[in-house]
Amino acid sequence: AQTVTQSQPEMSVQEAETVTLSCTYDTSENNYYLFWYKQPPSRQMILVIRQEAYKQQNATENRFSVNFQKAAKSFSLKISDSQLGDTAMYFCALSGANSKLTFGKGITLSVRP
Amino acid sequence: EPEVTQTPSHQVTQMGQEVILRCVPISNHLYFYWYRQILGQKVEFLVSFYNNEISEKSEIFDDQFSVERPDGSNFTLKIRSTKLEDSAMYFCASTPSLYEQYFGPGTRLTVT
Repeated sequence: AQTVTQSQPEMSVQEAETVTLSCTYDTSENNYYLFWYKQPPSRQMILVIRQEAYKQQNATENRFSVNFQKAAKSFSLKISDSQLGDTAMYFCALSGANSKLTFGKGITLSVRP
Repeated sequence: EPEVTQTPSHQVTQMGQEVILRCVPISNHLYFYWYRQILGQKVEFLVSFYNNEISEKSEIFDDQFSVERPDGSNFTLKIRSTKLEDSAMYFCASTPSLYEQYFGPGTRLTVT
């Protein structure tokens, strides 16, 4: 069975500052993918960033980057230069060979002006 | 840019009624999924669908639920006899390969 754990229920950050959201996971598979999804108040699920487990290099998408520690089964998201529009719920998710996504409980991020 | 669409955006139904939630996946995608999110909780996998059949389903996806791809473009989720606890946001997703999934905007189902 796959599990994803997000232990922080909420975080707050000042606009323009950097924030890191934590995620740990467990899987018995060798090939898997990790994702961060953003869910704003509209409740749409928006893909922020993805990481293939076989790649050692950490993924980066503009202001978003991950710190992927495979041995520790850790996958944190760093948001640089936080913007008010980053205020949302963020979900860490994992998929393996069967492709279904297993989500964490999510973290509510508030960006303060 | 192609996107997954879902209708209706909000459905209100009475307990015991049947509902059909509709999704139009991105046209060249091959794998389709339904997830649900009870308010304030995490997103949960319901079912995956490939090559016109269910490839995997969760324990939530009991006999009250069914999925269909009736015409090669729509992908539907039917709940035969709704219960109060079926109230949730239902998301459809699709992917061309077993990789990132593209989500629709969701259908909010309210069972009264």
